[in-house]
Amino acid sequence: NAGVTQTPKFQVLKTGQSMTLQCAQDMNHNSMYWYRQDPGMGLRLIYYSASEGTTDKGEVPNGYNVSRLNKREFSLRLESAAPSQTSVYFCASSSSGGSSSYEQYFGPGTRLTVT
Amino acid sequence: KNQVEQSPQSLIILEGKNCTLQCNYTVSPFSNLRWYKQDTGRGPVSLTIMTFSENTKSNGRYTATLDADTKQSSLHITASQLSDSASYICVVSPYGGSQGNLIFGKGTKLSVKP
Repeated sequence: NAGVTQTPKFQVLKTGQSMTLQCAQDMNHNSMYWYRQDPGMGLRLIYYSASEGTTDKGEVPNGYNVSRLNKREFSLRLESAAPSQTSVYFCASSSSGGSSSYEQYFGPGTRLTVT
Repeated sequence: KNQVEQSPQSLIILEGKNCTLQCNYTVSPFSNLRWYKQDTGRGPVSLTIMTFSENTKSNGRYTATLDADTKQSSLHITASQLSDSASYICVVSPYGGSQGNLIFGKGTKLSVKP
């Protein structure tokens, strides 16, 4: 049981380049999330998917797109990277319904630097 | 505006000592309050989750308390260990909100020294 996995672990991009961050979970969770974490700030939600086939914007969606490929996988795409997108990106998942939905399980993170 | 404020920003204690981290929130009404532990370079891991009707929840040496009247929560760590060195994040879920509406604090960075 790997939980939530993310690839890559580290990435350096030049301004204007594009890339996709991959996330997969093996806990049969319905809901998945993408967060970014910047120094001195709390985690901020970029996008989330309450269930397969649905996605919703979070607090900071500009400059990002997402795809819920299937129940297991949720990817985050940067179409034209900017230095302001330098951050640590976390994927998370949770079940839905009832108190069990309170628990979010986080991946190990992707450290992205845009120069 | 819904906010979660944590104090102190950072804390250094000696191994074996106890400590208490604070979380004040303005989210009202709220559904639940969570404490996460985040080791350096890792993702957050849940320590405790309390609903609005709970006053205390323990997880080993970690005990969280909640006072919904004063909108305060604390995380007490007993007999600290070097492995407790991490950031501790308080998270509040607004009542009726989805999992996409969590309000995260900025965290308290705890360093436990030998």
